[in-house]
Amino acid sequence: AQKVTQAQTEISVVEKEDVTLDCVYETRDTTYYLFWYKQPPSGELVFLIRRNSFDEQNEISGRYSWNFQKSTSSFNFTITASQVVDSAVYFCALSGGTNAGKSTFGDGTTLTVKP
Amino acid sequence: EAEVAQSPRYKITEKSQAVAFWCDPISGHATLYWYRQILGQGPELLVQFQDESVVDDSQLPKDRFSAERLKGVDSTLKIQPAELGDSAMYLCASSRWATGNTIYFGEGSWLTVV
Repeated sequence: AQKVTQAQTEISVVEKEDVTLDCVYETRDTTYYLFWYKQPPSGELVFLIRRNSFDEQNEISGRYSWNFQKSTSSFNFTITASQVVDSAVYFCALSGGTNAGKSTFGDGTTLTVKP
Repeated sequence: EAEVAQSPRYKITEKSQAVAFWCDPISGHATLYWYRQILGQGPELLVQFQDESVVDDSQLPKDRFSAERLKGVDSTLKIQPAELGDSAMYLCASSRWATGNTIYFGEGSWLTVV
C-alpha cells in the first residue's frame, strides 16, 4: 500500500522567511511519481511539480525548490523568501503501482505567511 | 489555458435527497478522476475513468454513489440518498493518460448535507 505523511499540520512564518514543508512517502514500487500541489482558499488544487523515482535531481523554480531523497523516502518543498500569497494548504502526493494513475495524497500542511 | 470545469460550485441539500455533480475535463484528456476531500484531509480517489470505462472504483460507496462517463468526455457523479457524512468537496480531475501523468484539478464542488 502507498502512504504519504505530511507531519507538519500547520506552519506559520513571517514574510521573507524561508520555510520547508516535509513529505515522507511509503511505497513498494520501483517506479513511482511524486507531486506537490497548492490549494488556496478558493479550493482548486494547483499543480506545482512532478518528479519520477528515477530522477533524484533537486529542482528550483523561482522561489520554490524541491529536495528528493530516495534514501530517506522524502520529497521536501522549500519556499525561499516567503510571501503572503504563499499562504495555502500544500499537498504532497504519490502515484505508482498497479494503478499508476491513482494518486495518494497526504493530509496537507497549512502554511500561513504573516506580513 | 484549458481548465477542468465543474458545476455546481456549491450545493446544499437535505439528507436523503439526491444530488449530482458534473465535470468537463480538459480536451484530449482520456483519464478522468473524481476525488472527495473532507475538511482537513487530503483528497481521496472515488472513481477513475479511462475513456468511458471505469478503471478504479474501489473507494466508491456503491450503495449510494454512482458515476458515469458515457461518451468518454464529460462525467456525472451522483449521490442518492445523501447522508450527513457526505458533506465534503468533490473534485474532478483529468490527465492526458494515466501512468504518472500530471493530474489537473477543477475548482471543486462543495457539498453540504443538512
